[in-house]
Amino acid sequence: DTEVTQTPKHLVMGMTNKKSLKCEQHMGHRAMYWYKQKAKKPPELMFVYSYEKLSINESVPSRFSPECPNSSLLNLHLHALQPEDSALYLCASSRYHDRPPSYEQYFGPGTRLTVT
Amino acid sequence: KNQVEQSPQSLIILEGKNCTLQCNYTVSPFSNLRWYKQDTGRGPVSLTIMTFSENTKSNGRYTATLDADTKQSSLHITASQLSDSASYICVVSPSGGYQKVTFGTGTKLQVIP
Repeated sequence: DTEVTQTPKHLVMGMTNKKSLKCEQHMGHRAMYWYKQKAKKPPELMFVYSYEKLSINESVPSRFSPECPNSSLLNLHLHALQPEDSALYLCASSRYHDRPPSYEQYFGPGTRLTVT
Repeated sequence: KNQVEQSPQSLIILEGKNCTLQCNYTVSPFSNLRWYKQDTGRGPVSLTIMTFSENTKSNGRYTATLDADTKQSSLHITASQLSDSASYICVVSPSGGYQKVTFGTGTKLQVIP
């Protein structure tokens, strides 16, 4: 299995709703990421989990709450979002190459989120 | 500040023609550079990954080059196909801080019949 899966593919939610995005990988990667991508812009890093612990939070508003239940799963809990939070949310995981030494991120297909 | 600049921003070419996309970076210290293909509304898919000791790497019709001295990379697409229409993103990783990478703004390629 060499892929990162994300569910749902599309999500429409109101500003008072609570929803969750899910990400899963079975490649044994120990780092997992959440990115937000607006149209025609590069992805923006939100969170990084390393060995199931939150290692980077890029000053993301608290209405986004990440969770890493185990080494294969990554969730992003959403609550009281704003219309400007509408975007493509990408999950990624990374592995380490020995020869040459480097890291490579594998991206999921993304969840298209619309906040109404 | 780490930056990755890509050119051109957009490009339209005829099916069957070749094209070259450029990437200049200021990320230091450098670990690796990757080219991704991203279809609209989809996640990026890795095409190549290169470290400072590698000058060129191919993946089918895609050939990437890297000049670590001038901090430039290029992606050459040979015999373009309609399915090559996508955004191509250059991503540079620093050494030591593998978790934070710098994304280029991308080149949007459109291949027309």
